[in-house]
Amino acid sequence: GAGVSQSPRYKVAKRGQDVALRCDPISGHVSLFWYQQALGQGPEFLTYFQNEAQLDKSGLPSDRFFAERPEGSVSTLKIQRTQQEDSAVYLCASSLLPGLARGGELFFGEGSRLTVL
Amino acid sequence: AQSVAQPEDQVNVAEGNPLTVKCTYSVSGNPYLFWYVQYPNRGLQFLLKYITGDNLVKGSYGFEAEFNKSQTSFHLKKPSALVSDSALYFCAVRDRGYQKVTFGTGTKLQVIP
Repeated sequence: GAGVSQSPRYKVAKRGQDVALRCDPISGHVSLFWYQQALGQGPEFLTYFQNEAQLDKSGLPSDRFFAERPEGSVSTLKIQRTQQEDSAVYLCASSLLPGLARGGELFFGEGSRLTVL
Repeated sequence: AQSVAQPEDQVNVAEGNPLTVKCTYSVSGNPYLFWYVQYPNRGLQFLLKYITGDNLVKGSYGFEAEFNKSQTSFHLKKPSALVSDSALYFCAVRDRGYQKVTFGTGTKLQVIP
């Protein structure tokens, strides 16, 4: 596609529900990142994929957070048993080069805004 | 560990005046440095990056940034601000050899007509 596409754009969940957020990166982009952006804050790194391999998941805040990219293109971020502190905008970004070689920039989607009641 | 500091939550500047948005960074090795802009309810858009070479980097929409290794700074500048430049600006750093990009907390730029 022309850009990084994320769905849903807005999600309201009751505390304890599971949610799934989808990211469709730019076609051919090898690297894919998930970031969490709380209100008034900068994006915080969650996890990184190179093709289908999840090479870094050090930013996932708890074992309730799980991400996958099984075929090396579309990725899903799943949050189990959502809590109020999970409320944030979840940003997906992709980059053409593996491992952001030569300082490749990130292309961001518009984000999925999650509100947990 | 790598980190970015944006010391100003908000910068106000009159239209037509030069603007500067400050950024300092900390990495253990040599950095890649980036500026992104975010408009309301939108994702981040890439403005410019420093990889190596010339310390003055030119980017989109007339923005530029100056890499200063001794001061570990990468300030964003524009000679003449436009009202349409009003947005949230994020500085970011990546240590070479690592994949994670670390963002600052952002600076809101308000250009006053």
